[in-house]
Amino acid sequence: QQPVQSPQAVILREGEDAVINCSSSKALYSVHWYRQKHGEAPVFLMILLKGGEQKGHEKISASFNEKKQQSSLYLTASQLSYSGTYFCGTIIQGAQKLVFGQGTRLTINP
Amino acid sequence: KAGVTQTPRYLIKTRGQQVTLSCSPISGHRSVSWYQQTPGQGLQFLFEYFSETQRNKGNFPGRFSGRQFSNSRSEMNVSTLELGDSALYLCASSLGGGFRDNEQFFGPGTRLTVL
Repeated sequence: QQPVQSPQAVILREGEDAVINCSSSKALYSVHWYRQKHGEAPVFLMILLKGGEQKGHEKISASFNEKKQQSSLYLTASQLSYSGTYFCGTIIQGAQKLVFGQGTRLTINP
Repeated sequence: KAGVTQTPRYLIKTRGQQVTLSCSPISGHRSVSWYQQTPGQGLQFLFEYFSETQRNKGNFPGRFSGRQFSNSRSEMNVSTLELGDSALYLCASSLGGGFRDNEQFFGPGTRLTVL
């Protein structure tokens, strides 16, 4: 039931764009995105709910394809502060557990 | 507003001992969830408490237990510690609806080392 994230790691130069994907084999109720910097706690980025509702920070862009049970997080014009590990968490329809993927490590170089 | 606080920040125990970790949520948050984070298994959901009741539970053995008090503060207890319990234990709080529909605010975590 653990969602699969891709890529596992990505290295960018400042200003470049990145897309992080999250897919599930089960019908989802919601997808949650968090970023964790080394030695720090995860920080909320966005929730995407079945039906199209989104809750999150204005500067973050993400999509949720309910037919494919896939979500993508879009990081445009990346900044050094975007570096960290990005986790997607999914809640399956009818379930109450939030299951996180293994994470995508993003490194932004100047 | 003060963030989520966790105590202690670091803990070293030996196999067979038990440990209690504490979490104070953001004021007004009634949902508290616990997670275990390890390099191998990643972030894993332990349980969620709401209004002093366990609302959801992950796939962990009964050695892992928790409780929540009337002021929403929560404790997590691990009995008969095993080497594999070494991990960062994170607590997160959210508004009343819980984590299904609301963002979670994570605490800094308690780093538990079992020798």
